[in-house]
Amino acid sequence: AQSVTQPDIHITVSEGASLELRCNYSYGATPYLFWYVQSPGQGLQLLLKYFSGDTLVQGIKGFEAEFKRSQSSFNLRKPSVHWSDAAEYFCAVGQGNMLTFGGGTRLMVKP
Amino acid sequence: DAGVIQSPRHEVTEMGQEVTLRCKPISGHNSLFWYRQTMMRGLELLIYFNNNVPIDDSGMPEDRFSAKMPNASFSTLKIQPSEPRDSAVYFCASSLVASAGELFFGEGSRLTVL
Repeated sequence: AQSVTQPDIHITVSEGASLELRCNYSYGATPYLFWYVQSPGQGLQLLLKYFSGDTLVQGIKGFEAEFKRSQSSFNLRKPSVHWSDAAEYFCAVGQGNMLTFGGGTRLMVKP
Repeated sequence: DAGVIQSPRHEVTEMGQEVTLRCKPISGHNSLFWYRQTMMRGLELLIYFNNNVPIDDSGMPEDRFSAKMPNASFSTLKIQPSEPRDSAVYFCASSLVASAGELFFGEGSRLTVL
């Protein structure tokens, strides 16, 4: 069965600092991988996705993620965090249209 | 464009009462999903439909939960009778079958069962 682990429940970074959110997955075949963001009181919004090809994928809001098969990881990065990035971030692995989500990482941004 | 529309946004009810949550997917989308989000269990897929047909309901907790999709533009999730442990945020999401995981979520229905 597929599973997703996000080791960090909470992360706090200073505005302008770089960010990396970790995601590890378990899946028997080549995975479809996703990052979603959830602002308070809102539903989830897709940031980016990886299906195949270039292992570095670009998303919205300046985010990128890198797929590393050898490490079963799909970490999310942003070079300079803005206060509006404070939210909860979810990594997900997909099989067809069915997604399995990680537990989420809550990002707080210090001024 | 209108996104996924859920109602009600908030519901407070007493144990034993029936609860009905409603969802209108994005027009043209042919897959619909119901998720439940709690602090303890995170995001759980309850059920999903393709072309109005339930494909996988293995995530539905028990017989108290039922979901229907009578047409392409409307779905309901019903809990009868409700229990305090059903308190959660329930999300509806829709997508195109061909989009393989690109889900569009509604803003959720926050249910509190007293």
